[in-house]
Amino acid sequence: GENVEQHPSTLSVQEGDSAVIKCTYSDSASNYFPWYKQELGKRPQLIIDIRSNVGEKKDQRIAVTLNKTAKHFSLHITETQPEDSAVYFCAATGNRDDKIIFGKGTRLHILP
Amino acid sequence: NAGVTQTPKFRILKIGQSMTLQCTQDMNHNYMYWYRQDPGMGLKLIYYSVGAGITDKGEVPNGYNVSRSTTEDFPLRLELAAPSQTSVYFCASSYSETSAYTDTQYFGPGTRLTVL
Repeated sequence: GENVEQHPSTLSVQEGDSAVIKCTYSDSASNYFPWYKQELGKRPQLIIDIRSNVGEKKDQRIAVTLNKTAKHFSLHITETQPEDSAVYFCAATGNRDDKIIFGKGTRLHILP
Repeated sequence: NAGVTQTPKFRILKIGQSMTLQCTQDMNHNYMYWYRQDPGMGLKLIYYSVGAGITDKGEVPNGYNVSRSTTEDFPLRLELAAPSQTSVYFCASSYSETSAYTDTQYFGPGTRLTVL
């Protein structure tokens, strides 16, 4: 089945700088790659997603890139703000069996 | 729309007790999922369903059971609670026309379960 690896597990970034979180997946048939943000004590919420027919997608300060050949995808947050502090999860569909498998998460700290 | 709702919000169980975690969605989604999230950890898939009457195991199904008799409801049953089942449980739903096209998952607010 699908396996998703996420790095780093913790990331501290100065406010205003950029943050990058990377994920790799194992199932070459996977075709949907969402990113979720989870604030303390809250539910995960989708912030951006990308499908396998697209290499990059951007939404204001957030962008996701996908390299199908290398089976990795990354989340980029520019001009980071205090409210970006949270845990971020990547995920991938194991397309053959309808499951969405999550990475272990990255705790992002925005330093003042 | 209320989206995905879960009850109860919190529960404390004694070892060996049973309970059902309720999950309901009003978005007419065909896919529903149960995850558990241990403190400081990621989300692990327990069970999922692609439609009424169809369920399948995820990564960590042992100790749990599910049923899907309607599109809206997807209850999770714990038969003999153990301390290892202390966790936050999230239900989620999504709509997919085919297995080749997966859409956004919407999560419920979670149920915090403690087994003592």
